Amino acid sequence: QSVLTQPPSASGTPGQRVTISCSGSSSNIGSNAVNWYQQLPGTAPKLLIYNNNQRPSGVPDRFSGSKSGTSASLAISGLQSEDEADYYCAAWDDSLKGWVFGGGTKLTVL
Amino acid sequence: EVQLLESGGGLVQPGGSLRLSCAASGFTFSSYAMTWVRQAPGKGLEWVSAISDSGSNTHYADSVKGRFTISRDDSKNTLYLQMNSLRAEDTAVYYCAKVYWGGGRNFDYWGQGTLVTVSS
Repeated sequence: QSVLTQPPSASGTPGQRVTISCSGSSSNIGSNAVNWYQQLPGTAPKLLIYNNNQRPSGVPDRFSGSKSGTSASLAISGLQSEDEADYYCAAWDDSLKGWVFGGGTKLTVL
Repeated sequence: EVQLLESGGGLVQPGGSLRLSCAASGFTFSSYAMTWVRQAPGKGLEWVSAISDSGSNTHYADSVKGRFTISRDDSKNTLYLQMNSLRAEDTAVYYCAKVYWGGGRNFDYWGQGTLVTVSS
């Protein structure tokens, strides 16, 4: 049981916009920034969105993040086949004194 | 170019010990906190441990507290994870990652991982 809650799966067709939610509590998302990681099949995770809505250099602007209260969302517009991957949200937890992850969302491009 | 290369994984019996290493290059290692994250086969990511840039502060997940010890050797640009009293549930790919504290405390670079299998 992960501290942060994500839907286990999401899907969309090429060109569509999909969103992935991440729900937490006041000790993690409610008081700290949310980061998102993308893990392509068979590879290490990669930072996708940091500080709620910032994109590292090289990440397409099709990816965007937002946060409100104790929840966050990752949006992917103009869906492409290469976006098929697992997506994880994460945040520092003030009570646990460590990082917590969501259980991950497997995105399928139909 | 930032590179993180883990090593030391392998097969170990329950109750045994293993030390993982993570060799870093391409950045000023001593200026950054570092962390270990693991992923059990077919499962999601689980944060394991972190160490501050100075090495004076360490943090552990409850699942490994008292059994795992994180450390660093800045003269060798290397991060370590000493794992004792290993259990079957510790079986996972272990990733080391660089921590960027300023950007929402994120893990901005990851290694490719090393597999630890705990089994008799």
